[in-house]
Amino acid sequence: GESVGLHLPTLSVQEGDNSIINCAYSNSASDYFIWYKQESGKGPQFIIDIRSNMDKRQGQRVTVLLNKTVKHLSLQIAATQPGDSAVYFCAEIMNSGYSTLTFGKGTMLLVSP
Amino acid sequence: EPEVTQTPSHQVTQMGQEVILRCVPISNHLYFYWYRQILGQKVEFLVSFYNNEISEKSEIFDDQFSVERPDGSNFTLKIRSTKLEDSAMYFCASRREDREWYGYTFGSGTRLTVV
Repeated sequence: GESVGLHLPTLSVQEGDNSIINCAYSNSASDYFIWYKQESGKGPQFIIDIRSNMDKRQGQRVTVLLNKTVKHLSLQIAATQPGDSAVYFCAEIMNSGYSTLTFGKGTMLLVSP
Repeated sequence: EPEVTQTPSHQVTQMGQEVILRCVPISNHLYFYWYRQILGQKVEFLVSFYNNEISEKSEIFDDQFSVERPDGSNFTLKIRSTKLEDSAMYFCASRREDREWYGYTFGSGTRLTVV
């Protein structure tokens, strides 16, 4: 079946670097994408979202890019901080009726001071 | 900031036993969900609940699973006869109808260990 997946299971960066986390999706009918952050022992925390009619969306220190041509989603974190260390998931909405989320497997981001 | 509260944080049960996982969604939310995450794997959808009934469920949500909103505040997931493969983190989530998709708030989860 179709699914959302991630390229890199672990990303290690130095504090202050910019981080890029990637995600590939295969359902061209998905019209909404969300990035979540999950810290140890906690539930997924919303970071940023983007609709399929957009290419880019910026938040505070984070930017999401959507390339529909290659079905690719990325999360850019500027000036990465140790507090950004967590697992990051992309998720897509495949059923807009009840907004069921389909998650990717996750990427662990490790930020060294 | 309002939170989704889940109890217990960790539940250990013997195979074949029934477990009930409890959630208190945010009070003005209308849609409720259960998701689970097997260790090292992605978060998977189990069931959605709206207007006091199941609105959607996944293949995982078979006859051994049930959900209930017994009063105005609690939302429970029952596993009737647990199996080893039910060991996972179970997340409850809720959202407000008028915030569409990005209104999700997740709880911190219940870690279920079946031995």
